[in-house]
Amino acid sequence: QVQLQESGPGLVKPSETLSLTCAVSGYSISSGYYWGWIRQPPGKGLEWIGSIYHSGSTYYNPSLKSRVTISVDTSKNQFSLKLSSVTAADTAVYYCASYNSGYEGFDYWGQGTLVTVSS
Amino acid sequence: SSELTQDPAVSVALGQTVRITCQGDSLRSYYASWYQQKPGQAPVLVIYGKNNRPSGIPDRFSGSSSGNTASLTITGAQAEDEADYYCNSRDSSGNLHVVFGGGTKLTVL
Repeated sequence: QVQLQESGPGLVKPSETLSLTCAVSGYSISSGYYWGWIRQPPGKGLEWIGSIYHSGSTYYNPSLKSRVTISVDTSKNQFSLKLSSVTAADTAVYYCASYNSGYEGFDYWGQGTLVTVSS
Repeated sequence: SSELTQDPAVSVALGQTVRITCQGDSLRSYYASWYQQKPGQAPVLVIYGKNNRPSGIPDRFSGSSSGNTASLTITGAQAEDEADYYCNSRDSSGNLHVVFGGGTKLTVL
């Protein structure tokens, strides 16, 4: 059973960089799969941020592309999200998830972590 | 990029059948996946591909697709099915970009 766990600061100041890590257990990242980040502002819907393949190939939401970096560390079996120049609009629950390209869907999700952007 | 459109809210009487729809150009090329999200919880994949359920998902959940519209059907809705439902697919660009629908809040009466 694949398990994912997000970690990182719950409070980030405006204009700074949001950094989150997703630790994966029960599966080796280097074995395959795409790994993604999705966010959900309070009371709103899901928004795909981006995905990364175990080889390092990345795919970003065009609306966030200029501010997003997703990377993978196969030695630690984890992947990370950096979102720069944050504003209050980036306040959301951030989820990491595994994207099954055969299913064309996100089959395993982390529990999510709330990140608030505020001074 | 692509967009997926869902009705904001749908209701169903207990034990009846309900269909939740998702429209978008990308659905002409790709299947939709469907997720159930209950308050305070992460989304759960309930349908993927043509009409496949992950292990543990009740068989009252089914999926279908026609043209630019994908549908999630719950046959014999239960009280525990009350939740938000999101569709998701790859976008029309053909790469691994992904898009979510705006979500449908299902109320079981």
